[in-house]
Amino acid sequence: QKEVEQDPGPLSVPEGAIVSLNCTYSNSAFQYFMWYRQYSRKGPELLMYTYSSGNKEDGRFTAQVDKSSKYISLFIRDSQPSDSATYLCAIRGGGGNKLTFGTGTQLKVEL
Amino acid sequence: ETGVTQSPTHLIKTRGQQVTLRCSSQSGHNTVSWYQQALGQGPQFIFQYYREEENGRGNFPPRFSGLQFPNYSSELNVNALELDDSALYLCASSPGTGPNTGELFFGEGSRLTVL
Repeated sequence: QKEVEQDPGPLSVPEGAIVSLNCTYSNSAFQYFMWYRQYSRKGPELLMYTYSSGNKEDGRFTAQVDKSSKYISLFIRDSQPSDSATYLCAIRGGGGNKLTFGTGTQLKVEL
Repeated sequence: ETGVTQSPTHLIKTRGQQVTLRCSSQSGHNTVSWYQQALGQGPQFIFQYYREEENGRGNFPPRFSGLQFPNYSSELNVNALELDDSALYLCASSPGTGPNTGELFFGEGSRLTVL
């Protein structure tokens, strides 16, 4: 079993839709949860970073963590074509800065 | 503020050769990590350097090695290249090594193709 599981997609939605991206993880020692966005041929850029269960909102983006279920989500409201990218969940724990990534979900927002 | 920069952006090597990839960390960041991202996969942790010493390593063989310099820049060296080493190599910097040091900032990567 992989430490972090993520549906690879691809996921295609119309502009304005609400997008839900999800990851599950197996190691309860994981404490810090991140979502990165990666455009084609670019490095990942951090979108959201949280370390507690619950919701964290930033503009159109909401990160949700449920430590009891080992489940994390990213919601994108009013999706735009510029949101088309690969979204990677990343989790850190047990000391140091090592991130364990999911495989990434490829999202396409169509006009 | 200068972000993380990597060089070269693209390179092609043949099996058995050696490659060196370079990374300049973001200003003020003393920790550098390297990740390998195969096509269609998430990045995989190779190792991390802090104060010029390796400070954590993932599941990669010894032919993957690195250096960090006093100015916090870093190199990734891969010897005896194999076809499976073809990937995007990402460098990330952060302002420390502890769990509360915040996010990693990634460069745009060096895309290595091994023929």
